[in-house]
Amino acid sequence: SQQGEEDPQALSIQEGENATMNCSYKTSINNLQWYRQNSGRGLVHLILIRSNEREKHSGRLRVTLDTSKKSSSLLITASRAADTASYFCATDPRGSQGNLIFGKGTKLSVKP
Amino acid sequence: KAGVTQTPRYLIKTRGQQVTLSCSPISGHRSVSWYQQTPGQGLQFLFEYFSETQRNKGNFPGRFSGRQFSNSRSEMNVSTLELGDSALYLCASSPTTPSSYEQYFGPGTRLTVT
Repeated sequence: SQQGEEDPQALSIQEGENATMNCSYKTSINNLQWYRQNSGRGLVHLILIRSNEREKHSGRLRVTLDTSKKSSSLLITASRAADTASYFCATDPRGSQGNLIFGKGTKLSVKP
Repeated sequence: KAGVTQTPRYLIKTRGQQVTLSCSPISGHRSVSWYQQTPGQGLQFLFEYFSETQRNKGNFPGRFSGRQFSNSRSEMNVSTLELGDSALYLCASSPTTPSSYEQYFGPGTRLTVT
């Protein structure tokens, strides 16, 4: 079963707007990662945030982690058409021996 | 550095046949993980190999197996193919434990079982 659940399942916005995707998980984790996948291709790593971190930035990306609520959010600011992709969170539940469990993803569509 | 490569990229097989997929990780990476991606189940972890040893295994039947060679290249095999095995198979490499480092994914092998 999936550890992470992304919300919403699909999101459609205009270029220039911000996009926020959420991820909730069930058990305690060591780290949480976000990945992007363009249609039918391999995944690309975006950010890794450790359980003792609350916020991380990378360019136009901002990730927050709230371990008390078992949730994370990914914010993409000033979105571009090229940001159109599916976004996945991946967690490593404690005791999982280090492998990642992916959610089902949020499909983001950015219209020019 | 060259990225993760997977061969073949596309494959069509018939029910009951077997298939072998190959993955070459980034040079120096010792961990290779395999995932199955389908529209219904999403990305599901198959197994992870590190230094030729299977370190973790997902919840898949024994028809799914894999191995890793001394040069870290990995293969996965699916025997007695079923229609439900149609999926995108992704491999990913990382220096050590997948959860502690970013994983580098290959482009995937799209398997169609007819």
